[in-house]
Amino acid sequence: DSGVTQTPKHLITATGQRVTLRCSPRSGDLSVYWYQQSLDQGLQFLIQYYNGEERAKGNILERFSAQQFPDLHSELNLSSLELGDSALYFCASSTSAGTGNTGELFFGEGSRLTVL
Amino acid sequence: AQSVTQPDIHITVSEGASLELRCNYSYGATPYLFWYVQSPGQGLQLLLKYFSGDTLVQGIKGFEAEFKRSQSSFNLRKPSVHWSDAAEYFCAVGARGTGFQKLVFGTGTRLLVSP
Repeated sequence: DSGVTQTPKHLITATGQRVTLRCSPRSGDLSVYWYQQSLDQGLQFLIQYYNGEERAKGNILERFSAQQFPDLHSELNLSSLELGDSALYFCASSTSAGTGNTGELFFGEGSRLTVL
Repeated sequence: AQSVTQPDIHITVSEGASLELRCNYSYGATPYLFWYVQSPGQGLQLLLKYFSGDTLVQGIKGFEAEFKRSQSSFNLRKPSVHWSDAAEYFCAVGARGTGFQKLVFGTGTRLLVSP
């Protein structure tokens, strides 16, 4: 158990809909990362938050957005869903965002999104 | 920008045999290097990491990896594979000075263990 909790574990929805994925980082971790894992794209970095502020952006679509709340949990919002958004979405956390970071990311078990 | 190549999509190894999974990276300076393992239905777990110093790094579950700057490689090895090692293995590279933002992962190597 990594200590990172993601909900829901599975989600099935239709094209055009909007969903929210939730992540609770490990106790004490200030950084949250979101990754998308799909068969054709592999594991792609989406976005990172540190203590409520966006720190880095990767291959995140404009239809997707995220935020980190004062209690450090994070939500990833996916809107106007398309078939190609079907994937496993991982949240990871780490202790810090700067050079003091040991580099270890602790991953949750993921949220599997299926868009029909 | 950094990148990672894992040339083997699938590898099958007999139980008890040795294992080597290949990883090549591209980065202008000395990178941070990681190996993660993903078991079915699970998240990724860190096996080992290289930051600096000794180029032979020991990890959990009997794994080790060797950083070879001249070959831009960070291959993962295990002397004797167990059936429970069957999983997908990801090599990742992080750029120094970025706080490990945007860790870049390879496409993964799926390890199958035959009896």
